[in-house]
Amino acid sequence: DTAVSQTPKYLVTQMGNDKSIKCEQNLGHDTMYWYKQDSKKFLKIMFSYNNKELIINETVPNRFSPKSPDKAHLNLHINSLELGDSAVYFCASSHGTAIYTGELFFGEGSRLTVL
Amino acid sequence: TQLLEQSPQFLSIQEGENLTVYCNSSSVFSSLQWYRQEPGEGPVLLVTVVTGGEVKKLKRLTFQFGDARKDSSLHITAAQPGDTGLYLCAGASYSGAGSYQLTFGKGTKLSVIP
Repeated sequence: DTAVSQTPKYLVTQMGNDKSIKCEQNLGHDTMYWYKQDSKKFLKIMFSYNNKELIINETVPNRFSPKSPDKAHLNLHINSLELGDSAVYFCASSHGTAIYTGELFFGEGSRLTVL
Repeated sequence: TQLLEQSPQFLSIQEGENLTVYCNSSSVFSSLQWYRQEPGEGPVLLVTVVTGGEVKKLKRLTFQFGDARKDSSLHITAAQPGDTGLYLCAGASYSGAGSYQLTFGKGTKLSVIP
């Protein structure tokens, strides 16, 4: 069973379109995250949710809107896609918000290419 | 924003050689984690170090957390082709409201040539 699963794995779309990436975790964790990994492999946090509530919201354009229907799901919706949005997006989860000793479990990533 | 500098950025070595990857910051972290990422997959945790000066060993990998909790190193002994991958360090810091945030370094891409 996949612990953190995200779909789709690949997404190719035109500039200006709206797209969503879904994420689900079956680990029973209460905190979920979205990270963006650019072409240079730099992994940067975008959002963090704890029990469906937003707790971290880094400087991300408001075209990106996370939605957490329950603590096992955290979806990412992106409006008006731009070329610079091309990247690999990783969903992750952890037990609790005190991740200083915990572990992040990552999904396999969703590679978004904006043409 | 706390920054983590990793070095070297790229490393290509022969099988059997030893190597060290460094992770440095001017900020103090509550803990530091090391992840390994293979192509097409998400990062996977290797180890977490919490106490200043702590040393942890995972088979041929040795991890050390600096005394001041600002830096860390990963040493691999007798590298094997299976060690090839992207190694990421991540520092945990308190971000308020009872939560912590992980800041990742830019990674070290290791290639071990048979």
